[in-house]
Amino acid sequence: GQNIDQPTEMTATEGAIVQINCTYQTSGFNGLFWYQQHAGEAPTFLSYNVLDGLEEKGRFSSFLSRSKGYSYLLLKELQMKDSASYLCAVNSGNTPLVFGKGTRLSVIA
Amino acid sequence: DGGITQSPKYLFRKEGQNVTLSCEQNLNHDAMYWYRQDPGQGLRLIYYSQIVNDFQKGDIAEGYSVSREKKESFPLTVTSAQKNPTAFYLCASSDLTASSRGYTFGSGTRLTVV
Repeated sequence: GQNIDQPTEMTATEGAIVQINCTYQTSGFNGLFWYQQHAGEAPTFLSYNVLDGLEEKGRFSSFLSRSKGYSYLLLKELQMKDSASYLCAVNSGNTPLVFGKGTRLSVIA
Repeated sequence: DGGITQSPKYLFRKEGQNVTLSCEQNLNHDAMYWYRQDPGQGLRLIYYSQIVNDFQKGDIAEGYSVSREKKESFPLTVTSAQKNPTAFYLCASSDLTASSRGYTFGSGTRLTVV
């Protein structure tokens, strides 16, 4: 079966760093995505990892370990506008993406 | 600019009615998808299509129907057989030759049963 786990909710302070973890168990693996979704809006693409290691893109970085079935999204210098849900999704092959339930991040002053 | 458009943004349905949600893309993407999102449930796949005139059931297809007569269009019908249709519906599309780009999502339709 396909299973993706993420924490349901997290809270962090403006200006701080937060790490959102994602573990997955899928029948195949062809890449992992992170999306950001503000309430009532469409998810937007943040990052894609297919090889092990860290991908950095401005304030956001994403890490992948295929042997551990593990990824994390790192958000630095948190801003109030980063309050959103963060969705982890796995491409397991020639099938649609499998999404986790999302992590709702609240950034507080 | 290319994109994916869902309409309407808000939709109200009386019990026993069928309603159709529109999804149109001008990205020339081969694949299109319908997801349902409920609070705390993440995105659940209803139907998807990788080629015109062909589509596949997702995890929660019961009570829904789709068609793919044109590459650009993938409408979703919520039938009266769907017992709990109130949810946020998201349409997405993707380029099957560029899987690293992931999906492009529409802005969603919020369906409420009244």
